[in-house]
Amino acid sequence: EVQLVESGGGLVQPGGSLRLSCAASQFTFSDYYMSWVRQAPGKGLEWVANINQDGNEESYVDSVKGRFTISRDNAKNSLYLQMNSLRAEDTAVYYCARDWVGYLNSPYYFDSWGQGTLVTVSS
Amino acid sequence: DIQMTQFPSTLSASVGDRVTITCRASQNMGTWLAWYQQKPGKAPKLLIYKASSLESGVPSRFSGSGSETEFTLTISSLQPDDFATYYCQEYNTYSRTFGQGTKVEIK
Repeated sequence: EVQLVESGGGLVQPGGSLRLSCAASQFTFSDYYMSWVRQAPGKGLEWVANINQDGNEESYVDSVKGRFTISRDNAKNSLYLQMNSLRAEDTAVYYCARDWVGYLNSPYYFDSWGQGTLVTVSS
Repeated sequence: DIQMTQFPSTLSASVGDRVTITCRASQNMGTWLAWYQQKPGKAPKLLIYKASSLESGVPSRFSGSGSETEFTLTISSLQPDDFATYYCQEYNTYSRTFGQGTKVEIK
């Protein structure tokens, strides 16, 4: 069974930084696109960023461009999200999710999810 | 930007009821749509992809239909384990937008 375990969440002041990690197991990590998806308290789901299998193509939702960086280490089966210049509106549970890819290696839907890690941005 | 509108936002139903949730897209999605179930404090779980394909291991009482701009998720006979929030998600655009969710509550 696919396992995705996030870590690194916590309380951070506005303008601060945080790095999330996701440890993957029970599948060939380097074969898959990976994403971060977040959920603000009591709200819906929002895709944040994804990265291709080799780690050389990244995409971001507009609201985090220039502030967040997604990366991966295939040797360590790990996904990361470096979050800088954090704002109150970034407060959310952040999920690591495996992408199912389709035509022309495009990411489609999320077929496996971690349990999430809570990031709270507050003074 | 694409908009994904789900309705109703909340649905009250009883065990055994047939339940239908609708997701409407602001532009043609083809059949590039997925449905997820989320229980409180838990991660979402994939139920349906490509509008009507059932994910492995998902009970057959769940079904999806629709194309282009209108999609439905149907639970043929609601079970106690099905009380949860359901989200649609398009994957026709790079932003892969989710609907705002439909909470299925016990009547």
